[in-house]
Amino acid sequence: QALVTQPSSLSASLGASASLTCTLRSGLSVSVYRIYWYQQKPGSPPQYLLRYKSDSDKQQGSGVPSRFSGSKDASANAGILLISGLQSDDEGDYYCLIWHNNAWMFGGGTKLTVL
Amino acid sequence: QVKLVESGGGVVQSGRSLRLSCEASGFPFGGHGMHWVRQAPGRGLEWLAVIWSDGILEYYADSVKGRFTISRDNAKNTLYLQMSDLRAEDTAVYYCARGDDAQSSACDSWGQGTLLTVSS
Repeated sequence: QALVTQPSSLSASLGASASLTCTLRSGLSVSVYRIYWYQQKPGSPPQYLLRYKSDSDKQQGSGVPSRFSGSKDASANAGILLISGLQSDDEGDYYCLIWHNNAWMFGGGTKLTVL
Repeated sequence: QVKLVESGGGVVQSGRSLRLSCEASGFPFGGHGMHWVRQAPGRGLEWLAVIWSDGILEYYADSVKGRFTISRDNAKNTLYLQMSDLRAEDTAVYYCARGDDAQSSACDSWGQGTLLTVSS
């Protein structure tokens, strides 16, 4: 079982909200992890969006709109990237990243399509 | 403005060695941990290695431990990745990325990447 799992794709409508999940493997507790989120568009390197551990331990990337926010769903053992007011420019691949056992681990990425 | 420029990619035969470089500018290089991350064609991101700002500590992904070595020269503002026993599955775009503090913190800025193709 992969350490971190992301749905491979997600579609949402223009102007709506999208919740992208990053689920930790059973046995790990999402509550103790800082979860980092990145956006990547075709042919470009990833861009840092934000990190979230708790409401008192979070950071927005420089220049990243407040439409992008982080949270957690403890019942699902998952980190969440919420994108509100979806724009066509939000289309792309989104990756989560965590630090575990002295190594960084990316999730497999979610391809977001804005309809 | 943070600038990271990778170089050294190209086509190499399997089994050979190669060193990638990443020249940094626009920030105090010696004050940040640095990473290498790769992305195989059509695939997701794979973190490879991180080195602390002073070079004292390094951490590696299991997939490259023992074959790849990360290093840095703070006097030259340059990060390196020495790769040995290259395999077809090492074909990827290799990115260097800045850590957001002096140690092992996550990447906050990325270079454009350099493409490595390993031919059999």
